[in-house]
Amino acid sequence: GAGVSQSPSNKVTEKGKDVELRCDPISGHTALYWYRQSLGQGLEFLIYFQGNSAPDKSGLPSDRFSAERTGGSVSTLTIQRTQQEDSAVYLCASSLIGDRGRETQYFGPGTRLLVL
Amino acid sequence: QKEVEQNSGPLSVPEGAIASLNCTYSDRVSQSFFWYRQYSGKSPELIMSIYSNGDKEDGRFTAQLNKASQYVSLLIRDSQPSDSATYLCAARTGGTSYGKLTFGQGTILTVHP
Repeated sequence: GAGVSQSPSNKVTEKGKDVELRCDPISGHTALYWYRQSLGQGLEFLIYFQGNSAPDKSGLPSDRFSAERTGGSVSTLTIQRTQQEDSAVYLCASSLIGDRGRETQYFGPGTRLLVL
Repeated sequence: QKEVEQNSGPLSVPEGAIASLNCTYSDRVSQSFFWYRQYSGKSPELIMSIYSNGDKEDGRFTAQLNKASQYVSLLIRDSQPSDSATYLCAARTGGTSYGKLTFGQGTILTVHP
């Protein structure tokens, strides 16, 4: 079946511009995560949506970052007034809670963001 | 102390050998552990999950968990050049069975012919 999809695959923007990154989770998956992967920082959690619950925003690095998930499916991560340190690969993962309440996350291909 | 730590490597093994990748974690109540493989320029791909002490085998891969020592490992038997990648260890901290993962920095594995 179709996996997690993300768009765009690459984005180059100028410092100070806003960007929107999109994630389409695996059909039927109720949870959606955003992570960021940059050199020297590894893979960092940003935000987590589970069903209709309030999102866990504890990983967002600043108030320039926000995300929404419409209709329990597609999610958009928005970065306002981008800075050069925002350059990274932004990864989306979706999951379904399975047997014994265990959950496994599957990653999309990522969006490579370069802020000039 | 980082929550999840891995030997950064790089680790180089000859084709056909056993590659051993190690990971430690600091949160004693962590219950879920994962190994992801990441090829250069690609996204992480799940290889194994492990939840109970002991070994879990899947093909050439064996994950080992020791909660008392807060230690997770991944063994790759009969290593192939196609196994050359970065291996990421991840733990779900806080004692829950769902929620965010905390990743180690990754171990770069090279399998040479």
